[in-house]
Order: sequence, then structure tokens, then C-alpha cells
Amino acid sequence: DIQMTQSPSSLSASEGDRVTITCRASQGISNFLAWYQQKPGKVPKLLIYASSTLQSGVPSRFSGSGSGTDFTLTISSLQPEDVATYYCQKYKSAPGTFGPGTKVDIK
Amino acid sequence: EVQLLESGGGLVQPGGSLRLSCAASGFIFSNYAMSWVRQAPGKGLEWVSAISGSGSSTYYADSVEGRFTISRDNSKSTLYLQMNSLGAEDTAVYFCAKDRQWDLTFDFWGQGILVTVSS
Repeated sequence: DIQMTQSPSSLSASEGDRVTITCRASQGISNFLAWYQQKPGKVPKLLIYASSTLQSGVPSRFSGSGSGTDFTLTISSLQPEDVATYYCQKYKSAPGTFGPGTKVDIK
Repeated sequence: EVQLLESGGGLVQPGGSLRLSCAASGFIFSNYAMSWVRQAPGKGLEWVSAISGSGSSTYYADSVEGRFTISRDNSKSTLYLQMNSLGAEDTAVYFCAKDRQWDLTFDFWGQGILVTVSS
């Protein structure tokens, strides 16, 4: 099975900073990569699918890129409401493996 | 408005069984694949199982293959997860999730139900 890794495992940044999270697949997955946001005590929320397509209603400060094995999630200007753990996920074929998550908080 | 409401969780002894249910509303249930995703306390997300809209195709994570069975009753708009031979490693919050377009991306999630396996 394809394994997913993320880096860093956690980060702390100031409000307004640009934040980048990296996700890597152990084998090529084309662009079948999604990103989810899970705020503390809340349910996961789909942010991005097909590596770079924003789900309806997601703020435009979120963006995704990548193909093959290397992907990034970028928050262009970090806001207090973005404090959350972010997970990447490979999809299209089972298993729908998630990455271990990146915890983002505000300095 | 899409709503997914899980039930059936609780405390079960090691080796025991439990059946989770997920009542869906706000969309044409039979048109969408569904999945179960779990999250152990303080840990990350783990996809568990998926079922096609008709129920004819099912998929499982290696960690639950042979012990868990996913099913659905489209006449009741309800998803199920039968869990047998439970172990401590199955302790988690279990979420039911609506598949966006039968590709294992999930656009709506239930609130989750806690399953605790302990003696």
C-alpha cells in the first residue's frame, strides 16, 4: 500500500504569515491528493481535492499544488481561525490513506 | 442540508462485537458511496471501510479486513459497520462520511461516535 508522510508534524507561525505544509506519497498518485482541516474538537473538513481544487466555500488563502509524489498546502496569510491539524489523503483507489497530520497554531 | 448521525457506540470488552449505524438525510443516499473513518484518542485519521452506492462493492483497510463488515440499507438511508473480534487498537471515534463522487474524498462527515474496547 502507498504510505503518506507530512512535514513538519507541527508549526507555529504569526498571524499573517505564509504557511506551507508538505505531503509526500511513497509512490506516484498523479493528482489524487486531498487536504482536510480538523479544528480542535471538531469534525474534519474537506479543503482541497485533485491536489489544487478548492472545495466550495473554502477561503482563497488556501491553495494546493503538486503531482506524482510531492504535494504542498499553502495558507497565504495565516488567520486565528486556521488553528487546526491538517491532513493530506491519497484517494481514487482503496485504501484512502491519510497522512499523519500537521498541527498549526498561532504564535 | 446534509446530516449524518452515528449511533451504536459504547464500551465493549476485548473480543466482543458492536454494530454502528449512520442515519443519513439531506441527499439521495443511494447515489453516493459512503465510508467509515476512525480516529484513536489523540491520534490521526484512519480510513476504515467504504461501500458503493448500490452496496455491491466494499473495501476495507488491512487493519480491519475479516473482522469488520460494512453494509447499507438504501430504503432506510442508513449505513452500518459490524465490528467483531474487537481489540484495544479499535478504540476510537468512528465517523461516517459521505463520498464526494465515489473516489474516497469525503465532503460531509458525521459528528462521530466513540467506541471503547476495554475490560
